[in-house]
Order: sequence, then C-alpha cells, then structure tokens
Amino acid sequence: DIVLTQSPGTLSLSPGERATLSCRASQTVKNNFLAWYQQKPGQAPRLLIYGASNRATGIPDRFSGSGSGTDFTLTISRLEPEDFAVYYCHQYSNSPPDTFGQGTKLEIK
Amino acid sequence: QVQLVQSGGEVKKPGASVRVSCRTSGYTYTAYAINWVRQAPGQGLEWMGRISVDNGDTKFSQKVQGRLTITTDMSTTTVHMDLRSLRSDDTAVYYCARSWNPLGDYFDSWGQGTLVSVSS
Repeated sequence: DIVLTQSPGTLSLSPGERATLSCRASQTVKNNFLAWYQQKPGQAPRLLIYGASNRATGIPDRFSGSGSGTDFTLTISRLEPEDFAVYYCHQYSNSPPDTFGQGTKLEIK
Repeated sequence: QVQLVQSGGEVKKPGASVRVSCRTSGYTYTAYAINWVRQAPGQGLEWMGRISVDNGDTKFSQKVQGRLTITTDMSTTTVHMDLRSLRSDDTAVYYCARSWNPLGDYFDSWGQGTLVSVSS
C-alpha cells in the first residue's frame, strides 16, 4: 500500500499569508493520481484538487496543486478566513486500496 | 444537482451489524462508483471499499474484508453498506463518496456522513 505522509501536522498562519502543505508518498504515485480535500468541523470533505494540479469545479484560484512522483504540494496563495480547516491528500493510483494522508491542520495564528 | 444523502445515525452493541444507506440523485447512477470512507473521532480518513454500480463489482480494504458488504439498489439509486461483527473501534462517521473510474479515482461528491457508535 502507498503510505502518504503530510507535513506539517499543524500550520499556524494569518489571513493574507501564503500556505504551503506537503504530501510525500512512500512510492511513486503513477499518473499523478493525487487529490487534495478540505474538511471543516462537522462537515464532509470537499474536493479541491485532482490529478495533482487540476482545480475542482468552483474552487477559487488561490488554491493550486503541484508535484509529481512522490512529492506533492498544495499552495494557498493568500489565506482567507474560511480557508482555516484540515487538509488531506489522497492517492488513487494504486487502488485498491486508496490511501489518505493523516491531514494537516491549518489554524489561525 | 448531484446529491448523496445518507441514512441517520446508529447506536449498536459489539458483535452486531449495521447498515448505512446512501441515496443518490442528480446524475446517471450507473456511470459512477460509490466508495465508503470512515473517520474515527478526531482521526483521519480511511477508505473502506467501493462498488461499481453498473456491474456490482466490489473492492475492499484488507482491514474490513470479510466484514463489509456493499450492494446497490437500481430501483432507488441507493447504495447500502453493511458492516458485521462490530467492534468499538468501528465507531466513526461513515461517508459515501462518488468516483468515476471504477479502477480508482478522486471523490468529487460526498454524502453528509453517518455516525455509527459501537458501545456495550
């Protein structure tokens, strides 16, 4: 199974700042089949990015994804108050099983 | 619009079984797979399994293999998840999520979640 390791575990930033979240895979994620989700308390996850760099429908362009192979990044260019949440990466290249990272909590500094 | 609406919360005793349903609407039912993902309290996301709705093919994680059944009801465009021999560590919020490629794909729509509590 592909193990995804996200870093940092918690990221403390202020609105307006830039956020950089990392997701590292234990083996190559073929075809860049990696997605990012945002989850707020009490809500289901929401798809942000698929195929490592493609924004999902309705996702603001301040969210961007990059990377390939084993190293992937989610960048939020200028944080808005509603962006503070937990973010998960998900690989679907070596399925089953799909696997998720353990999450990065983005909190207000 | 695409909607996945799940059944309500459940409280079960260890050893019992639970069924969680996911009623879908707003898209061609047979064109997508439905996955089940769970989240234990304060924890991350765990993929459990999925069904290709068009042919009923299922895939499961090793962790729940043998205890999990996923079925589809074409007449109501609903997917059911049955988990048997419940343990306390099955306490979690269970989500259904839609994906296009039955071989593996991202999850573009999610249900609202169903809390299953297992306690004696």
